[in-house]
This record gives sequence, structure tokens and C-alpha cells, in this order.
Amino acid sequence: EDKVVQSPLSLVVHEGDTVTLNCSYEVTNFRSLLWYKQEKKAPTFLFMLTSSGIEKKSGRLSSILDKKELFSILNITATQTGDSAVYLCAVNAGGTSYGKLTFGQGTILTVHP
Amino acid sequence: GAGVSQSPRYKVAKRGQDVALRCDPISGHVSLFWYQQALGQGPEFLTYFQNEAQLDKSGLPSDRFFAERPEGSVSTLKIQRTQQEDSAVYLCASSLVPAIAIQYFGAGTRLSVL
Repeated sequence: EDKVVQSPLSLVVHEGDTVTLNCSYEVTNFRSLLWYKQEKKAPTFLFMLTSSGIEKKSGRLSSILDKKELFSILNITATQTGDSAVYLCAVNAGGTSYGKLTFGQGTILTVHP
Repeated sequence: GAGVSQSPRYKVAKRGQDVALRCDPISGHVSLFWYQQALGQGPEFLTYFQNEAQLDKSGLPSDRFFAERPEGSVSTLKIQRTQQEDSAVYLCASSLVPAIAIQYFGAGTRLSVL
């Protein structure tokens, strides 16, 4: 059975801090790993990673994948209160021809002013 | 449309009642997924459509759950004889093509069964 584990489950920081969120996985037939941000609405897409060692970056957010050690990290620098959300990691894997996602439990990030 | 649209946003049902949840995917997206998200958990896969064909329903928790996408666009998830354990957020996602494409999510329907 495919498995995705995120850590920590929750994190409280102050504005300006840098945070690192972790995602490890055990799946068969890995295709890609995706990060989403979920506030009280639709999970919004952040990154899709398919290759090891290539950092993806968008503003203050960045992410990298290690396919040998089976994990990914999401970094957020200079955090702002608007970064408060649940961050979901999902893996697209399996023997099907379509992209069924297996999600981790999520990391709840709270950024205080 | 510009994004994935789900309705209603909130639904309160009495135990035993039937409910229908609607998903309107991004125009032209071939793939449509339904996920169930319990409180404090990540979403879990329910079922998958490629156009109008339901190719995978392995995640549906019981035969009380039924989904359709008759014209390959709008989809409906129906839950018959709702029970308290059905209370969750039901998320719909669509992607342009199968396999590796990014899935875009709707805001979900929060179902509360009393």
C-alpha cells in the first residue's frame, strides 16, 4: 500500500522565520510528487517534482525531491501571516494509467505577527 | 470555467437522508477525481473518471456511494442513506490529461450528517 508521511504535523513560528516541511513516501511506480497549500478553500497547487536534485522555486517558496532517499522538502523563507495554512504533500504513483494521488496528513503552519 | 466549481459548499443532512454533490471541472479537462477529506487528515481517493468512463471506483467506502459523469463534464457524487461517518469534506479535482498532469481542486463540499 502506498504511504506518504509528513512532518511535523504542526508548526508555530513568527513572521520572518524560515520553515522546512518534510514529506517522505513509500510507493510503487513513482511518477511525481506534488505540494499543495490548503486554506479554508480549495487546495492550491504549489509545485510538481519529478526529478531528483532539481530545486523548484516560486518567490519565497522552494522545494526539492530526493528519489533515492524517498523524500521531499518544502522551504518557506521570511514567513508571513498569509503563509498560515495546511501544506499537503501528495504522490502520483501506482500501476494505473492515470494520476491517482496519495496524500500525507498535512502540516499545519501557523505564522504569528 | 476558470476553476473547478463545487456545490453546495455546505450540506447538513439527517442520518438516512440521500445527498447529491456536484462538481463542475475546468473546461476541457479529461480527468476528474473525487476525494474525501476527514477532519485533520489528508484527502483520500474515492473514484476517477476519464471523460464519461468511470475507470476506478476502488476508493468508494460502500455501495451507498455512487458517482457519475454522463456527458464527460459535470460530475455528481451521490450518497444514499447517509451515516454519521460520512461527515467529511468532499473534494473534486480535474486535470487536463491522465497520468502525470497537475490536478486542480475545487473548494469542496463540507457534509455534516446529524
